[in-house]
Amino acid sequence: AQSVTQPDIHITVSEGASLELRCNYSYGATPYLFWYVQSPGQGLQLLLKYFSGDTLVQGIKGFEAEFKRSQSSFNLRKPSVHWSDAAEYFCAVGAGSGGATNKLIFGTGTLLAVQP
Amino acid sequence: ETGVTQTPRHLVMGMTNKKSLKCEQHLGHNAMYWYKQSAKKPLELMFVYNFKEQTENNSVPSRFSPECPNSSHLFLHLHTLQPEDSALYLCASSQDVSGSNEKLFFGSGTQLSVL
Repeated sequence: AQSVTQPDIHITVSEGASLELRCNYSYGATPYLFWYVQSPGQGLQLLLKYFSGDTLVQGIKGFEAEFKRSQSSFNLRKPSVHWSDAAEYFCAVGAGSGGATNKLIFGTGTLLAVQP
Repeated sequence: ETGVTQTPRHLVMGMTNKKSLKCEQHLGHNAMYWYKQSAKKPLELMFVYNFKEQTENNSVPSRFSPECPNSSHLFLHLHTLQPEDSALYLCASSQDVSGSNEKLFFGSGTQLSVL
């Protein structure tokens, strides 16, 4: 069965430090992969998505993610974290045909805290 | 502002009450969704409507009753809920439900507490 694992429930980084949030997926075919961010009191916002092609995907707010098929991973990275990046981050895999939005499977999220 | 508005932001209800959650999108989308977000659990898809027709019902208990009168509005009617139904209920919309260019736009959610 399709699934998404985010092994880190909570991460704290210092402002200006680099960030990597882990995501592993289980899916039989070529996956459609997404990262969403949820700021406090807000809904989820799409950061980036991978469908095909270049395995390094650029997103909004300076984030990027790299798809590694051999490791079934889609880790999110940012070279220098800003205090406004404190939020909860969700990885998702599109389990439907063509990455259909009605078949997204989400991970449990990683809560990011940023220290000054 | 994502273009998806949910009301109320917070709701406290007793187990015998009947209440409704409202979602409105101003994006001209054709698909709307209800998700349930509970602490330490993955986001759970509850219902999907595409062009006002329900296309997904993920084994949601009948005490949750969705209504989609048009492509811009989505309701979730609640009755005889249980304490374990306490959660953040998120509404989302997309242009359609399929295709590689689709993405979900989420509202800020309704935080529901069932006493």
